[in-house]
Order: sequence, then structure tokens, then C-alpha cells
Amino acid sequence: RKEVEQDPGPFNVPEGATVAFNCTYSNSASQSFFWYRQDCRKEPKLLMSVYSSGNEDGRFTAQLNRASQYISLLIRDSKLSDSATYLCVVNPRNNDMRFGAGTRLTVKP
Amino acid sequence: NAGVTQTPKFQVLKTGQSMTLQCAQDMNHNSMYWYRQDPGMGLRLIYYSASEGTTDKGEVPNGYNVSRLNKREFSLRLESAAPSQTSVYFCASSEGSFHNEKLFFGSGTQLSVL
Repeated sequence: RKEVEQDPGPFNVPEGATVAFNCTYSNSASQSFFWYRQDCRKEPKLLMSVYSSGNEDGRFTAQLNRASQYISLLIRDSKLSDSATYLCVVNPRNNDMRFGAGTRLTVKP
Repeated sequence: NAGVTQTPKFQVLKTGQSMTLQCAQDMNHNSMYWYRQDPGMGLRLIYYSASEGTTDKGEVPNGYNVSRLNKREFSLRLESAAPSQTSVYFCASSEGSFHNEKLFFGSGTQLSVL
């Protein structure tokens, strides 16, 4: 089993839709969680950290479920510019970060 | 506003050739990293350096060597390239010395080994 697993998609949604991705992780001792965004042929960029209490940044909401060992990303009112691959990142132990393979999102007009 | 700069952007090698990928950051970060990204797989850590003068192996270090030349620069060397090393390579840096915080990535190097 991979340490971090994501549905590769693609998720194809119309503008204005709400879309959610999940990411499961295998190490219950993981402490830090992040969502990165990667545009085609570009470098990953941090979208948001994921806190135990959940957190929101504009149209984006991240949640952590430690009991079921997954994190989620919810995007409301999708924009064309949200089209990208979303990478889940988990820190299973000190000095180690594990990346999921990413979920591809395409927002269509 | 340079951030993390890596060169070259593209490289084609023949099996057995050697090359060095260069990376520099201007954010005064302590930690620097080299990752590779392959289709259908997450980024995998090759080597990292938590501070100037130190380097440690990551998840997939075989076939690579690194040098933390100074606080700014962290290079990755392929001594004898193999087709399995065809990948996109990203250099990254972070402010502290623990690999659990925001990473800043360079724009990547597309490497093909024939």
C-alpha cells in the first residue's frame, strides 16, 4: 500500500461547481499535512496547510480526519484557473515528506 | 524575486554519461532538497541537506550524489546516467531544518537518458 494515495481523476467539472478530493495516508503517526497545486509542466506550489481543526482559505477548505486517516480538499465556485493537479503531502516522520501522485482537475466553461 | 533557480531546464544524455544539475536559492533557507517526479507517482526525495555542510539520503538515492556547496547552492550529480533516471527533477528549499514545512520549488529539469 502506498503511503499516500489519491484518486488520479481526472475530475471534469463546470465553472461554479463544488468539487472535493480525498487523500488517504497509511502512517497514523503523521503530523503535518499539506495540499500543493501543480500546473501542467510547472513546479508544485503550496496551496494550504491542513490543520487538525480544519481550515479555510477563500473558496478552499481543507479537513483532516485522523480516525480514518484521510485529508480532504473542497473547492467551491470553481474557476477555470483552478484547473491543475492537486498534490496531497503528508509528513509521516521527522525529516520526511511523502507526496501523493496527484488528482487532476479540469474546470470547463 | 528569483526564489529557487535550477539549471538546465532540459537535458538529453546517453547512457553512461555524467552530468550535474545546479540549484541555488536566494531566500537564506537552511534546508534544500532534490526530488524526482515520474508519471503516476508522487514526488520522491532523492537527497536533502538540512544545513550547510550536511547531506542525507532520501527515499531514492541510488545513482545520485549531492553537494551542498554553501548555504545557497545544492547540486545533484549523476555519475553514470541510466534510462531509469529519465524524469523531471525538482530542487526545493525550506526555511528551517525540518522537512515538515512549506517547500519552495524550482521550475524543474526535464532529463531524458537514451
